[in-house]
Amino acid sequence: AQTIHQWPVAEIKAVGSPLSLGCTIKGKSSPNLYWYWQATGGTLQQLFYSITVGQVESVVQLNLSASRPKDDQFILSTEKLLLSHSGFYLCAWSLGTENERLFFGHGTKLSVL
Amino acid sequence: QQQVRQSSQSLTVWEGETAILNCSYENSAFDYFPWYQQFPGEGPALLIAIRSVSDKKEDGRFTIFFNKREKNLSLHIKDSQPGDSATYFCAASASSGSWQLIFGSGTQLTVMP
Repeated sequence: AQTIHQWPVAEIKAVGSPLSLGCTIKGKSSPNLYWYWQATGGTLQQLFYSITVGQVESVVQLNLSASRPKDDQFILSTEKLLLSHSGFYLCAWSLGTENERLFFGHGTKLSVL
Repeated sequence: QQQVRQSSQSLTVWEGETAILNCSYENSAFDYFPWYQQFPGEGPALLIAIRSVSDKKEDGRFTIFFNKREKNLSLHIKDSQPGDSATYFCAASASSGSWQLIFGSGTQLTVMP
């Protein structure tokens, strides 16, 4: 069975500090991977997607970057956090074709103070 | 400009009633419309989805009615249960060459016992 694990579960960080969030998918080879951001009580905004190792496409610019160092790993990071980065970060995976079902992780709650 | 719009931020129904959640979209190229259900503190999970070649999709107590001409769709939840209380997101994407899934702002459903 496929599992998706996000870490950490929650973070409290200071403005201007760096950030690294991670996501690992087990039980599925070569998944499509996605990062979404959700403001508290808000909609889900797609940030990045990756179809293969080493290739990441940006959907919206929010002073964040993403990398896919391994087939089953997706990393979201920034060198300098802004207050507006607060929210819920969700990693998701899908099967090999477009528009197929997205499977979301439990998310990371980020508070920037 | 919101490409996927959910008209109600919140909806309250009594147990046993049919909850109707509405959604509209702007882009005629959209042809895949999933509904995701999200409980507090968790990632969203796919509930039911429809493609634009169909006007109705049923799965148990959940039914999507789709109107391509009017560019709107609705999710009907029959015999609503308190356990259905959650936020429901309508989403849309275009099949050809797009890896983006656009989410609406969500409707928070409360089912009163």
